[in-house]
Amino acid sequence: SAVISQKPSRDICQRGTSLTIQCQVDSQVTMMFWYRQQPGQSLTLIATANQGSEATYESGFVIDKFPISRPNLTFSTLTVSNMSPEDSSIYLCTGETSGNLPLKFFGPGTRLTVL
Amino acid sequence: QKEVEQDPGPLSVPEGAIVSLNCTYSNSAFQYFMWYRQYSRKGPELLMYTYSSGNKEDGRFTAQVDKSSKYISLFIRDSQPSDSATYLCAMSSNTGNQFYFGTGTSLTVIP
Repeated sequence: SAVISQKPSRDICQRGTSLTIQCQVDSQVTMMFWYRQQPGQSLTLIATANQGSEATYESGFVIDKFPISRPNLTFSTLTVSNMSPEDSSIYLCTGETSGNLPLKFFGPGTRLTVL
Repeated sequence: QKEVEQDPGPLSVPEGAIVSLNCTYSNSAFQYFMWYRQYSRKGPELLMYTYSSGNKEDGRFTAQVDKSSKYISLFIRDSQPSDSATYLCAMSSNTGNQFYFGTGTSLTVIP
């Protein structure tokens, strides 16, 4: 199975700033997904990152707030823009080689605290 | 109503006990049912998944799906301290890539 790494593992940021999170997979994947995990809440899908096209965002998430890049089949970035304390969360990425199969592994996550 | 409901616990059991973790759901279109294990400071890892109804066994772990009741379970036999983690259920329909997760149940197995 694929190994997924994320950078940074954690960060403390000031309100109004932006943070870019990197996700690297050790093998090519068709789809990459970005999730948010807030304390006491279920994992929430932010967007699906597609290589060669714009990301697909879920309800409640917009490109201006969470711009995503997917330059190739092993790498993606998620930017959390103009941060507020409500953005404090763990951000997770995952990938899968074909649709409708369970997502097997997630990255270790990026723990973000916004002051 | 949430798509998936899961008791957050925490659940604390002695080593060797049988653990039962459960989720209920509301969407009858769900066909894939997954259980993930998440250790502290780590991302979730797929533990087991079943398609449609029935049981699936893998070592000390058994996953059960009751579609008529919209209820899934994960049983852990002879629980070990290394099983201490948060367990998340997740579900998906046949189409699309949307996975719906429970909030997770925190389990501690006491030596």
